[in-house]
Parts: sequence; C-alpha cells; structure tokens
Amino acid sequence: DVKVTQSSRYLVKRTGEKVFLECVQDMDHENMFWYRQDPGLGLRLIYFSYDVKMKEKGDIPEGYSVSREKKERFSLILESASTNQTSMYLCASSLEGHENTEAFFGQGTRLTVV
Amino acid sequence: SQKIEQNSEALNIQEGKTATLTCNYTNYSPAYLQWYRQDPGRGPVFLLLIRENEKEKRKERLKVTFDTTLKQSLFHITASQPADSATYLCALSNDYKLSFGAGTTVTVRA
Repeated sequence: DVKVTQSSRYLVKRTGEKVFLECVQDMDHENMFWYRQDPGLGLRLIYFSYDVKMKEKGDIPEGYSVSREKKERFSLILESASTNQTSMYLCASSLEGHENTEAFFGQGTRLTVV
Repeated sequence: SQKIEQNSEALNIQEGKTATLTCNYTNYSPAYLQWYRQDPGRGPVFLLLIRENEKEKRKERLKVTFDTTLKQSLFHITASQPADSATYLCALSNDYKLSFGAGTTVTVRA
C-alpha cells in the first residue's frame, strides 16, 4: 500500500523557533510537494521538488525553506516560526512527467505557533 | 495570474439527488484536470483525472466533464449518499507545479 508519512500529526512551537516538518514517501516518486491549508483559502503550494536537491517555489514560499537530500524525503523548514504560520501542513508526492498521475497525500501536520 | 475557482458556497442536497460542482480556471492550458475528495482532518484523496481530449469521464457514481473552451470542469455525484459528504477539490498542473482550488463542501442529508 502506497504511503506518504508526515513525522508529526500535531505540533506546538513557540514564536521564533526553527521548525522542521518531515515527509517520507515509499513509492519512489520524483515529485514532492508541501502545501498549507487554511479555512476558506484551500490548499496553497509552498514549495515543490521534482528531483533530489531540486526545489521550486510555489505560491507562498515566504518564511519557508525546503530540503531534499534523498528521493524519499522532503523537509519543510520554518526558519523563525510566527503565529501566522499556524496551519495544517500537507505533504504530497507524485510520479514524474507532465502526464502526472495522482498525487498521494500524507495525513497532515497541524502546527500551532504560540 | 493563474486562478482555480470552485463553487464558493457549500452544497446541501437530499440523499438520492445529484450534486454538481464547478471548477473554473484562468491562465492555464492544462493537459488534464484532477478531482480529489477530502474528509475533515485528513489529506485529500484522488478520485478522477480527465485529459484535455476527453469530454467526459465516469467512475461509479461520479462523472466529470472538461470543456477547455469554457475553461471549466463539472463534477457530478449521482444518486448521492450521506457517505459522499466531504470537501471536493479540483487540481491543475502547470509543468510540475500542482495547484488546487479552495474546494466545495458537500453535505448529503439522509
């Protein structure tokens, strides 16, 4: 059974902390994505990666960075957490190519910054 | 700028009726469009993909149409059931970037 696993289901961090959200997929997918989801705003793309060590900005990259050192792992980093980064964070992966098939999502990490 | 817009209002329907959801897009030339289902507190789950040369696609009680001239996709749930209650998202890809609409929440009353 295909799987995308996010390291934490719930996380509470303090303002100014450096926060790491980890995502691992076991499907050998080339593409990986980080989204945040807020009520009324839907899923917004933060960063994505189409290969190891490659990364591209999404629609809202400010305040975030990513790392992809291995194909199966894609990390989202909040350099200095702020309260407006309180949100549900979702990781996804998909196969390479323009004829992409479906994206598989993790269960989400609900991050609260206090 | 690129936009993906879905019905902004929630949809409440009676069991057995057909729910119709709309996805409109601007500044995309998609080769395909996807629909996902999301239940509260969970990640989206893929339902259907329709390609630009396909006018209609069906999967069980789901039907999707894709009109590249109108820049619109319609998503139908026929013979709806309370278990169909969820948020439904459309998604478009531009190169490797996969973007989603805000979703439409459907509630099916028994």
